[in-house]
Amino acid sequence: QKEVEQNSGPLSVPEGAIASLNCTYSDRGSQSFFWYRQYSGKSPELIMSIYSNGDKEDGRFTAQLNKASQYVSLLIRDSQPSDSATYLCAVIVADSGGSNYKLTFGKGTLLTVNP
Amino acid sequence: EAEVAQSPRYKITEKSQAVAFWCDPISGHATLYWYRQILGQGPELLVQFQDESVVDDSQLPKDRFSAERLKGVDSTLKIQPAELGDSAMYLCASRRDRSAISSTEAFFGQGTRLTVV
Repeated sequence: QKEVEQNSGPLSVPEGAIASLNCTYSDRGSQSFFWYRQYSGKSPELIMSIYSNGDKEDGRFTAQLNKASQYVSLLIRDSQPSDSATYLCAVIVADSGGSNYKLTFGKGTLLTVNP
Repeated sequence: EAEVAQSPRYKITEKSQAVAFWCDPISGHATLYWYRQILGQGPELLVQFQDESVVDDSQLPKDRFSAERLKGVDSTLKIQPAELGDSAMYLCASRRDRSAISSTEAFFGQGTRLTVV
């Protein structure tokens, strides 16, 4: 099982709709979770971080964390065409020896917002 | 706003040649990561530094790749010899904390797009 899993998509939503992006992770000890946005040909840009169970809102973005079910999600309200990008879920996970923690990424979900 | 600096932005090299990438993290950031990202995939960790020490290089192809961060500030990633399969985006990221788990985020540079011909 991969450490961080995401549906690769593509996910297509109409402008103004809610886009829902999901991510699951395998390490129960993980404490830190991040969502990055990556436009084609560009580097990842951090948009949300979440560390506690529940919801965290920042403008049109809401991150949701459920440690018991080992999933984290990102909701984008009032989706805009400029939100069209790949969304990467990242988790800090322990290495096989348990002595180091690395920032591990999923494959990303491609989101397209149609005008 | 402080940024992670990377150079060059683009590099075209012939297979079997040597190539090097440079990264200057945000000032004061103790943790530095090098990732490789193939088109359509997520970033794959190659090497992680805490200050000047390597703490994870388990996915680094050590027969051809090397990385250093001599003074715990900027870092260089080298490939010698380059192979066609090395064509990818090479990303550097930095994070402030040294601790194993913390609530600080990692920030990326603009990346180096490598094409091996």
